[in-house]
Amino acid sequence: KNEVEQSPQNLTAQEGEFITINCSYSVGISALHWLQQHPGGGIVSLFMLSSGKKKHGRLIATINIQEKHSSLHITASHPRDSAVYICAVRVNTGNQFYFGTGTSLTVIP
Amino acid sequence: NAGVMQNPRHLVRRRGQEARLRCSPMKGHSHVYWYRQLPEEGLKFMVYLQKENIIDESGMPKERFSAEFPKEGPSILRIQQVVRGDSAAYFCASSPALYEQYFGPGTRLTVT
Repeated sequence: KNEVEQSPQNLTAQEGEFITINCSYSVGISALHWLQQHPGGGIVSLFMLSSGKKKHGRLIATINIQEKHSSLHITASHPRDSAVYICAVRVNTGNQFYFGTGTSLTVIP
Repeated sequence: NAGVMQNPRHLVRRRGQEARLRCSPMKGHSHVYWYRQLPEEGLKFMVYLQKENIIDESGMPKERFSAEFPKEGPSILRIQQVVRGDSAAYFCASSPALYEQYFGPGTRLTVT
């Protein structure tokens, strides 16, 4: 069983739709990251969370520590949002990071 | 402020050769992480280093792999006697503190 599970694995949306990607984890964490990986392979860190909610432009990330769950929301989705979104957690017992397998998002014009 | 730099971006090695991957962290960052992404798989943690120290190498294969982050110069991930299964994208990330991470563009290693 993976320490980090993401859903859905693949997601296709029409431009303008509201998108939610979910992440559940089974370990105690000190921080959770949402990453974006574009088809070229480069990785961008979108958010780092240890509690509550963060917003950056059209992106919103939330975390519920008690339920060990985080969500990434994209409002007014755009084709340029098409990418793989990866949830990663840092365990609170050391320096290990565990990664979800990613959610592949395609936004159709 | 330049981002995290990795070189080479693409590396082709024959089986049995050595691969050296370099990571130059962002200015002022003293923490470096290395990750491996196998084809069709997610990222896996390999090693966490601070200047001149390996802090956690629990994700690194016990044989053929080594990493360093010297006082001067880039961090190096070294793979000796490469095998086909080492073909992957290797990413490094640097950090000024314990939690934030800034990723490099990755090195894609192909073993023929």
